[in-house]
Amino acid sequence: EADIYQTPRYLVIGTGKKITLECSQTMGHDKMYWYQQDPGMELHLIHYSYGVNSTEKGDLSSESTVSRIRTEHFPLTLESARPSHTSQYLCASSELVGPYEQYFGPGTRLTVT
Amino acid sequence: GQNIDQPTEMTATEGAIVQINCTYQTSGFNGLFWYQQHAGEAPTFLSYNVLDGLEEKGRFSSFLSRSKGYSYLLLKELQMKDSASYLCAVRPPLNTDKLIFGTGTRLQVFP
Repeated sequence: EADIYQTPRYLVIGTGKKITLECSQTMGHDKMYWYQQDPGMELHLIHYSYGVNSTEKGDLSSESTVSRIRTEHFPLTLESARPSHTSQYLCASSELVGPYEQYFGPGTRLTVT
Repeated sequence: GQNIDQPTEMTATEGAIVQINCTYQTSGFNGLFWYQQHAGEAPTFLSYNVLDGLEEKGRFSSFLSRSKGYSYLLLKELQMKDSASYLCAVRPPLNTDKLIFGTGTRLQVFP
């Protein structure tokens, strides 16, 4: 059973607000990921991390930022939310060695009005 | 370029067998994953193929042909709870951290 948690599950917020989406995992995984998924569309990687103090940008350009101060915690921050940020954000983690199966959190559905 | 194709929707009857196809055209290949995603929930891992052939896991099996850029997920003895989206994802070589996902196939199982 994967143990990866995201909060909040749902968030409705006004334009211009700063928000942080939380992601924590208790599996001791070194690698963590953030994906963005619109309804009926594929998952797009926006950020990932190899471990503490490591952050990399993914394939999809994003105005969000991430940090990795602790192994278990990988928060995503939007400094100024816009309606174009409305989407589902999924956090995942995997072990350092293969087959690199990714375990996903339940997701945060963000709506920016 | 990177391209993964799956049918958008499929329907099937409880107790039947269904095959969900996935074709990929990617810059190299280093493994293919299948995930199940129920509406509003997180994707969950189903299978992983890196060599040609069939991998069987209970009611679910996954097949890979690297020369054809083709995979399928076979679901047997369908149950209502199998109604979900099934995501095909390819891992490109030289970067084991990234997965390229298809848009998914939404399967509806009817009684």
